[in-house]
Amino acid sequence: NAGVMQNPRHLVRRRGQEARLRCSPMKGHSHVYWYRQLPEEGLKFMVYLQKENIIDESGMPKERFSAEFPKEGPSILRIQQVVRGDSAAYFCASSPSGLAKADTQYFGPGTRLTVL
Amino acid sequence: GENVEQHPSTLSVQEGDSAVIKCTYSDSASNYFPWYKQELGKRPQLIIDIRSNVGEKKDQRIAVTLNKTAKHFSLHITETQPEDSAVYFCASGYSTLTFGKGTMLLVSP
Repeated sequence: NAGVMQNPRHLVRRRGQEARLRCSPMKGHSHVYWYRQLPEEGLKFMVYLQKENIIDESGMPKERFSAEFPKEGPSILRIQQVVRGDSAAYFCASSPSGLAKADTQYFGPGTRLTVL
Repeated sequence: GENVEQHPSTLSVQEGDSAVIKCTYSDSASNYFPWYKQELGKRPQLIIDIRSNVGEKKDQRIAVTLNKTAKHFSLHITETQPEDSAVYFCASGYSTLTFGKGTMLLVSP
């Protein structure tokens, strides 16, 4: 059973470009969570999605950031017009059902975004 | 929203000693309390978790205790080994997780 997959593992963008990060959950998991981790800091929740629905986006910056989890294909976190402050590791996690059922979240390897 | 405080931020122990990391949370609705271990440049790996209907859980050298009344939970590692050296994160939540800032554990041979 393949784990959570993320690609690319490393992404370099220049200021003003778009960054698109992909996450494929574990087989059988329909819940995806995105987190951002700045150097030497903890994980900050960004957004929680189910297939075709955003459940909680309370941690997402109001501008430039968006996320989707289509019926087919991976979940995508999009950052438009990147700035240097967006440089971070972005992790996604998946669970078989929502946390209201106290399900374990399994993390992907992360995408390390560097903005030049 | 939920607020999770984690202490200490760094912890140095000798191999064979015990290590204890403590966390407090603010939202009484939180019902799930996992602990993750993260090595440098790697993904967070779940090492143990506890749910709100349980006060203590043990898995070999690792144990977690939960006090819902006081809103705190702790990670206990016994007989520490150098390979236990990593950053440990606590988290709590109901539908989403809020993480503590992490504890860097260094186990010296």
